[in-house]
Amino acid sequence: NAGVTQTPKFQVLKTGQSMTLQCAQDMNHNSMYWYRQDPGMGLRLIYYSASEGTTDKGEVPNGYNVSRLNKREFSLRLESAAPSQTSVYFCASGGSETQYFGPGTRLLVL
Amino acid sequence: GNSVTQMEGPVTLSEEAFLTINCTYTATGYPSLFWYVQYPGEGLQLLLKATKADDKGSNKGFEATYRKETTSFHLEKGSVQVSDSAVYFCALIPRGGANSKLTFGKGITLSVRP
Repeated sequence: NAGVTQTPKFQVLKTGQSMTLQCAQDMNHNSMYWYRQDPGMGLRLIYYSASEGTTDKGEVPNGYNVSRLNKREFSLRLESAAPSQTSVYFCASGGSETQYFGPGTRLLVL
Repeated sequence: GNSVTQMEGPVTLSEEAFLTINCTYTATGYPSLFWYVQYPGEGLQLLLKATKADDKGSNKGFEATYRKETTSFHLEKGSVQVSDSAVYFCALIPRGGANSKLTFGKGITLSVRP
């Protein structure tokens, strides 16, 4: 039981490049989330998926897209990376009682 | 809207000192309240939670009581250890929301010195 896994752990991009952050959970949760963590800002919700086949915008969705590939997997895509997207990205799954977080992806956009 | 306010940090304490980290919230109705902890280089872990007024959440020697009258959920520990050094986040989920979206405070860094 791995919980929530994320790949990659670290990535460096140049401005304008694209990439996809992968997330998978093995806890059979319906809901999955993508957050970004910035110094002094706490965690802010980018997108979430309440169930397979549905996605909704969170607090800071601009510049991102998501795909809920199946119940286990929820990916986050940056189509054209910008320096403002330098951050640590966390995926989570769960519900109203508890959310379980992955180890994070540290992204640097130059 | 919903919001969580945490005291400004960072906080540095000596081992065995008493810890209080303040957290207040604004929300419609009575949300569920959480404390998450993030150890260096790791993701967030649920530390404790409370789902209704006057509930006390506890775990690993930490406690927090859901105070409806003061809209607060302060985190306390009687004797901190070096291993408690981490970032602590207060968070809420609104009651009855269609989706369980967490609203986080900004987090506070705790450093415990031997």
